[in-house]
Amino acid sequence: DGGITQSPKYLFRKEGQNVTLSCEQNLNHDAMYWYRQDPGQGLRLIYYSQIVNDFQKGDIAEGYSVSREKKESFPLTVTSAQKNPTAFYLCASKGGLNEKLFFGSGTQLSVL
Amino acid sequence: AQKITQTQPGMFVQEKEAVTLDCTYDTSDQSYGLFWYKQPSSGEMIFLIYQGSYDEQNATEGRYSLNFQKARKSANLVISASQLGDSAMYFCAMRDTGRRALTFGSGTRLQVQP
Repeated sequence: DGGITQSPKYLFRKEGQNVTLSCEQNLNHDAMYWYRQDPGQGLRLIYYSQIVNDFQKGDIAEGYSVSREKKESFPLTVTSAQKNPTAFYLCASKGGLNEKLFFGSGTQLSVL
Repeated sequence: AQKITQTQPGMFVQEKEAVTLDCTYDTSDQSYGLFWYKQPSSGEMIFLIYQGSYDEQNATEGRYSLNFQKARKSANLVISASQLGDSAMYFCAMRDTGRRALTFGSGTRLQVQP
């Protein structure tokens, strides 16, 4: 079945550590996105990529980095510069003329 | 800049009754799209319904309908015959034309009571 796979489901970060969240899609979509969700709040855009080898900052990119070396993959690194990383992270993709975003099941990141 | 406003942090509805979740938006674009997503406690985002700004008819998908009032810049979600499984967070979103991403509102938590 086609879809978006995020891993791990839960992730813990130690002080000063970088961690990477995985996002893989087999929908053949060109565009991919990373959103952050804090408890009881809406989704905020971190980074997005419209095509392989290209990506743009969203509204809250500070402390995060991404890469888009393959069409299927869009990993997000939460760096030590992100001082408040505890949140739920959602990856999404979009393709063709379809306007809607398809979402993964999310990764909950917590700080030890 | 685009903005989505959901003024109802929480709503209660009795099973089998209809409920309306409010959404207002602000944009300077002439062409835009509006979405509603459902987020159960498991966290995944489930697409419910889409309305294009030039669509003449209000969108409907099963028990979901979108009450689109362009002049008032509102796109309210109507859920008919509520079920216990409808208990979830509901997000209104708008297509950001420049970035081809979605801008989300803060959400409404709906609780369906038996």
